[in-house]
Amino acid sequence: KAGVTQTPRYLIKTRGQQVTLSCSPISGHRSVSWYQQTPGQGLQFLFEYFSETQRNKGNFPGRFSGRQFSNSRSEMNVSTLELGDSALYLCASSLLTSSYEQYFGPGTRLTVT
Amino acid sequence: DQQVKQNSPSLSVQEGRISILNCDYTNSMFDYFLWYKKYPAEGPTFLISISSIKDKNEDGRFTVFLNKSAKHLSLHIVPSQPGDSAVYFCAARKPYGQNFVFGPGTRLSVLP
Repeated sequence: KAGVTQTPRYLIKTRGQQVTLSCSPISGHRSVSWYQQTPGQGLQFLFEYFSETQRNKGNFPGRFSGRQFSNSRSEMNVSTLELGDSALYLCASSLLTSSYEQYFGPGTRLTVT
Repeated sequence: DQQVKQNSPSLSVQEGRISILNCDYTNSMFDYFLWYKKYPAEGPTFLISISSIKDKNEDGRFTVFLNKSAKHLSLHIVPSQPGDSAVYFCAARKPYGQNFVFGPGTRLSVLP
């Protein structure tokens, strides 16, 4: 069974631009969560989507948004990029929204200059 | 306000010895705890979990201990192997299907 895939793997953007990241979950998984990883901060929860609906949201500004499609694939969008948005963005899928086990993709490394 | 803390950013252990990674949490509502391992350029991979109704869970070389009164859990790796060198994240889940809260991670280096 294929794992969680994320595209692109690396991205360089300039301040003020916007970016869209993509995540394809494991086949059959309906929940997709997004995390931001920065040095010293661990993984900060952004939001979770289940069956195309946002279930949970972390403490991030409205510049961070997401959506999920009917095939469970998810996209995350960041508008008006700031230097502090440079991070590794990880996507995780799980079978059910309350599942205790999440499977992570390799992440998208975003650099904002 | 960091609800899950891993106060040791790094840990070095000799091959064959025991590695003990610690994690403290502040929210007594957490009902499930997990450990993830992360290699560079890869996403975290699930290692072991423990429910709040237990105080110990074992899987091969990995054992997780939970002390609810102290709000503390630890991951023991015995014996440690060089391939265990990675960043280890502790995570806790709020009840009723809420999201996971992750600690900042501890980088383990197992020296041959």
